[in-house]
Amino acid sequence: DIQMTQSPSSVSASVGDRVTITCRASQGISSWLAWYQQKPGKAPKLLIYAASSLQSWVPSRFSGSGSGTDFTLTISSLQPEDFATYYCQQANSFPPTFGQGTKLEIK
Amino acid sequence: EVQLLESGGGLVQPGGSLRLSCAASGFTFSSYAMSWVRQAPGKGLEWVSAISGSDSGGSTFYADSVKGRFTISRDNSKNTLYLQMNSLRAEDTAVYYCAKDRGTTLFYWYFDLWGRGTLVTVSS
Repeated sequence: DIQMTQSPSSVSASVGDRVTITCRASQGISSWLAWYQQKPGKAPKLLIYAASSLQSWVPSRFSGSGSGTDFTLTISSLQPEDFATYYCQQANSFPPTFGQGTKLEIK
Repeated sequence: EVQLLESGGGLVQPGGSLRLSCAASGFTFSSYAMSWVRQAPGKGLEWVSAISGSDSGGSTFYADSVKGRFTISRDNSKNTLYLQMNSLRAEDTAVYYCAKDRGTTLFYWYFDLWGRGTLVTVSS
């Protein structure tokens, strides 16, 4: 199975800050990567697929980049509703696997 | 409204069985591959099982951790996805989410619609 490793595991930031979360795959996955946002007690929501394509509901302050083994999720200017846990997931090969998550907390 | 709604979770003893259901609405259920994804308390996400859309013959797939114990199925006439869980273990304790694949028929493995989840607790 492909292992997905996110860094950092947690990050504290303030409203208006720019934040970047990194995801590394244990082998190349081309651009077959998704990012999900999960708030406490809620289901995950798909933010980005194919490494950089935003779902229709996602504000433009979110962006994704990368290919191969290294990927990033960037939030250009944090808003209060962005504080959540973010997961990456590879969709290149079976079985689909998730990173361990990055908890984004208010500073 | 496009939504998924799971049911059937609860407390079960080790070695017991449980069947989860996921009712879909607001989209052409039969066309989409569907998955179950679980999340142990305070932990990350783990894909569990998937079934293809009807045009692909309803092929099924399982994580190694549940193979031989869990069975996924779907009833397209009822717009419902199921997960039959047998020989349950303590490590199966989790919130179980059903999730819709972003693509039709084929597996894209991008999950663009999730239910609220149902909690399964395996304990004596």
